[in-house]
Amino acid sequence: QQQVKQSPQSLIVQKGGISIINCAYENTAFDYFPWYQQFPGKGPALLIAIRPDVSEKKEGRFTISFNKSAKQFSLHIMDSQPGDSATYFCAASSETSGSRLTFGEGTQLTVNP
Amino acid sequence: DTGVSQDPRHKITKRGQNVTFRCDPISEHNRLYWYRQTLGQGPEFLTYFQNEAQLEKSRLLSDRFSAERPKGSFSTLEIQRTEQGDSAMYLCASSFTGGANYGYTFGSGTRLTVV
Repeated sequence: QQQVKQSPQSLIVQKGGISIINCAYENTAFDYFPWYQQFPGKGPALLIAIRPDVSEKKEGRFTISFNKSAKQFSLHIMDSQPGDSATYFCAASSETSGSRLTFGEGTQLTVNP
Repeated sequence: DTGVSQDPRHKITKRGQNVTFRCDPISEHNRLYWYRQTLGQGPEFLTYFQNEAQLEKSRLLSDRFSAERPKGSFSTLEIQRTEQGDSAMYLCASSFTGGANYGYTFGSGTRLTVV
């Protein structure tokens, strides 16, 4: 299966709060799991990515948690800011499939001031 | 060369007309990808090239769609006999060989509206 399922569809948090977005996948051949941020009228921009040989990766306020056995991964945004308001997509790929990305459905994040 | 460029940014066309979009990838990148994104959805893979060779096409890419990358540099995506269902954002991305974790960069897309 090539699907990547993402939840929630939308998320509203207060400034300074933690935003958590979850994704689940089926294809065990996936070996790369990026998160993308997209603003209206723009293409997706890579935020952070992880490979399945690690369980967590942190870059600044952004952390990916990865659970290989459950085939799930999540994005945590610490100290969320109004400028983080955007649509977030998880994705997955495998080199054996030419590294085309399979995206989740997206999460519309709104951070209230 | 600061990123992936797509032209035009917006295109409005009448149903039945042909349209062509252009993508200029990051010059050092040898892979080029086309995706389609409809409102409220994640991008869906259409096709990709390594240098000038088209290596994979999605089932989403009907016979009305054709993509080329004639010299391994820029690419064009043509849609013939456009239908209202073709209305979407068409995104181009490029990367080094090794794919998604090697400089994978998206352009800002071409927004197609078929009326």
